Order: sequence, then structure tokens, then C-alpha cells
Amino acid sequence: GQNIDQPTEMTATEGAIVQINCTYQTSGFNGLFWYQQHAGEAPTFLSYNVLDGLEEKGRFSSFLSRSKGYSYLLLKELQMKDSASYLCAVIGGLTGGGNKLTFGTGTQLKVEL
Amino acid sequence: EPEVTQTPSHQVTQMGQEVILRCVPISNHLYFYWYRQILGQKVEFLVSFYNNEISEKSEIFDDQFSVERPDGSNFTLKIRSTKLEDSAMYFCASSVWGPGANVLTFGAGSRLTVL
Repeated sequence: GQNIDQPTEMTATEGAIVQINCTYQTSGFNGLFWYQQHAGEAPTFLSYNVLDGLEEKGRFSSFLSRSKGYSYLLLKELQMKDSASYLCAVIGGLTGGGNKLTFGTGTQLKVEL
Repeated sequence: EPEVTQTPSHQVTQMGQEVILRCVPISNHLYFYWYRQILGQKVEFLVSFYNNEISEKSEIFDDQFSVERPDGSNFTLKIRSTKLEDSAMYFCASSVWGPGANVLTFGAGSRLTVL
């Protein structure tokens, strides 16, 4: 089966750095995604890792270690608008293919003054 | 920026009624998807659609569910006889073919409330 774990909640201070971890166990793997979801809205794409290493995109970076089944999303210079749920998702399930995304439960990040 | 459009934004229906949720994917995208999110829970895959047929579906997508691309722009999800547990936010998504096919763009969602 598939299992994606991430912390339920995190709190951080405006201007700080926060790291949101995700571990996964899947029978097929074609990439790991991070999406941001504000309450009542659609998930919006943040980053995609298919190879090991760090992908940087402005204030957001994402890291992947396939051997460890581990990823993290790093958010720098936190802003109040970064308060949202951050969803870790993996492509490639039991069938090992297709574009089916399996999501974790999401990490609710609260940015405080 | 191109976007996925969904209608209605909110629908309230009685248990046992049929519901059709509509989506207009991004025009040059060839893969289409439906996901749902029950309040407070994770986003769950329902079905993927490519080349006018279902390419993959989850256990949730039983005989009560169907999808259709009735014309060149719309992609619909039909629930034949709604149940209370079908109450959720339904997200349509689309992606290109080839490089970048894995990056899904989601619509704003259709909130379905079954009474």
C-alpha cells in the first residue's frame, strides 16, 4: 500500500525559516510534490522532485532522498500569507505509473508575528 | 495565467439525487482528473482520464460515479444517486502530455453538500 506521513501542525514566526518533513512508503515512485492549500481553496503547485537533492525556487526549497523515502519543504523569510496547509504528494502507486497523486494529510502551518 | 474552471462552486442536494459537476480544463492539457476532499481530511484521487477514456480509478470511484468529456472543452463528473458521505469538495485538475505531465493544475473546487 501507500503511506505518506507529515506533521499535522506547525507554528513559526514571521521572517523565520521553517522545515516541513514528509516520509513516504509507496510501491511505485515517479516523483514527489509539494502543494500549498489555503482553507477552502484548491491546492496550488509549489515544487516537484524526482531526483535526489535540493530544488530551490525563491523562498521555497524542496529536498528529496529516495533511498530514505524522505522529503522536506523549506520556507524562508516567512510571511503571514504563508499560513496554509502544505501537502506532500507522491506520484506512482500500486500500478507504478500514471499521473495519480497520492496526498498526505497535510501540515497546517501557522505564521505568527 | 491559464486556469481550470469548475461549476458550480457550491451545490446542495438531497440524498438519492443525481449531481453533475462541470470542469473546463486548461485548453492544451490532455490529462484530466477528479479528486475529492472531505472536510478536514486529505485530498483523495478519484479518477484520471486520457484520450477519451478512464486511465485509472480508485476504490472510491464505484458504479455511482461516471465521467464524460461531452465536447472539446468540458469534463464532467456525475454522481447518480448521492449519499450523505459524498459531501465533499470536488477538485478537477488537468495536466499536459509529455514533459510536465506530472504537474497538475487544480480548479477552485465544487463544494457538494448532500442532505
